[in-house]
Amino acid sequence: DVKVTQSSRYLVKRTGEKVFLECVQDMDHENMFWYRQDPGLGLRLIYFSYDVKMKEKGDIPEGYSVSREKKERFSLILESASTNQTSMYLCAGGWGVNQPQHFGDGTRLSIL
Amino acid sequence: GDSVTQMEGPVTLSEEAFLTINCTYTATGYPSLFWYVQYPGEGLQLLLKATKADDKGSNKGFEATYRKETTSFHLEKGSVQVSDSAVYFCALNRYNQGGKLIFGQGTELSVKP
Repeated sequence: DVKVTQSSRYLVKRTGEKVFLECVQDMDHENMFWYRQDPGLGLRLIYFSYDVKMKEKGDIPEGYSVSREKKERFSLILESASTNQTSMYLCAGGWGVNQPQHFGDGTRLSIL
Repeated sequence: GDSVTQMEGPVTLSEEAFLTINCTYTATGYPSLFWYVQYPGEGLQLLLKATKADDKGSNKGFEATYRKETTSFHLEKGSVQVSDSAVYFCALNRYNQGGKLIFGQGTELSVKP
C-alpha cells in the first residue's frame, strides 16, 4: 500500500530546541508539502518542494525551514522552537495541478 | 487572494439523516475543487474532486457539484452513518501555482445512532 509516513505521531520539546519533523513517501511524488493544522484555521501551508533541493515558502514560513535532499524525504525544521508552534503538523505529497495530495497521519507537536 | 469558506460546525445529525456541508470559494481562473475527510487521529484523505464547472464528484455516497455561477461546491449525502463522523475540508487548487491547495477551516460532523 503506497503511503506518506511521518516519523512521529506525538512529540514534546522545549522552547529554544531545534526540532526536526521527518516525512517519507513511496508514491514517487514530485511535490511535497508541510502544513500546520489549528482549530478554526484549517490547514495552512508552511513550505513546499517541487523537486529535490528545491523549496518555496508557503503562507506561514516564519520560524521554519525545510530540507529535501532526496525525492522521497521532506523534513521540516523548527530552528528555535516556541510555544506558538504547538500544533498538528501534516506532510503531503502530490503530482501537480488538478491532482489530489496524499497525507501522512500527522505529528502532534507540543512545545513546553 | 484565493479563499475557501465552509459552514461552521460542529454539525450533529442522527443516523440516516440528510447531510449538506456548504462550501463557497473565491479564486482566480478555474481551480479544481476537492473535499477531504479527516477521521479521528488520522491525516486527511481525498473524498472526491471536480476539475471543471458542472462536474460532479462522488464517492462513498457523498456528492458535490462544481457550480461556477454560485462559486460553490457543497457536499451532500442522502443518508449518513455513524462511521461518517469526521472533519470535512473543502479545498481548491491554486490557479497557476502547481499543486498547491487552499483549505477551508473544516466542518466537524458528528452522527448519533
